[in-house]
Amino acid sequence: GAGVSQTPSNKVTEKGKYVELRCDPISGHTALYWYRQSLGQGPEFLIYFQGTGAADDSGLPNDRFFAVRPEGSVSTLKIQRTERGDSAVYLCASSLTRGPSYEQYFGPGTRLTVT
Amino acid sequence: GNSVTQMEGPVTLSEEAFLTINCTYTATGYPSLFWYVQYPGEGLQLLLKATKADDKGSNKGFEATYRKETTSFHLEKGSVQVSDSAVYFCAPRGNKLVFGAGTILRVKS
Repeated sequence: GAGVSQTPSNKVTEKGKYVELRCDPISGHTALYWYRQSLGQGPEFLIYFQGTGAADDSGLPNDRFFAVRPEGSVSTLKIQRTERGDSAVYLCASSLTRGPSYEQYFGPGTRLTVT
Repeated sequence: GNSVTQMEGPVTLSEEAFLTINCTYTATGYPSLFWYVQYPGEGLQLLLKATKADDKGSNKGFEATYRKETTSFHLEKGSVQVSDSAVYFCAPRGNKLVFGAGTILRVKS
């Protein structure tokens, strides 16, 4: 079956602009996660959804970052007033439900470059 | 919250050598433990997992045992191949994964 998909695969934007990154999880997966991976580092948790609600957004770095999942499937990560430090690969993952024993399946990521 | 410390890399080995990548964690509660692998140019893939103490996860010749008493989940493989060259991440999981910095493995033929 189809895995987690993310669009766009690459996004170049100018400092100060607004961007949206999309994630399409595996069908039937109720939990959806966003991570950010900077060069040479491990992925860093941003936010996760159980269904439509954000169950934990403690990893969002500041109020320029926001994510939604209005129908409990596709999610969009929104970044306002982008800064050069936001440049990273943004990873989305989904799992059947939340809970420690459930595997998270990762998408290929969106590489964001802020110039 | 959970945290993890991984062996620093890069680790460079010759083909058929024995591999150990150390991983220790701190956690509240009883997390599951995962090893993820990122091959060059590819996305993160689950390599193996263990969900409770003394469980051994295994896949593709790799093994790791969940050691609650030492809070460790070291990754081992008896004979590495060039195709194992990748970045390996240890990650305890409560509701979310907490990743280590990753260990680069380079295997030379």
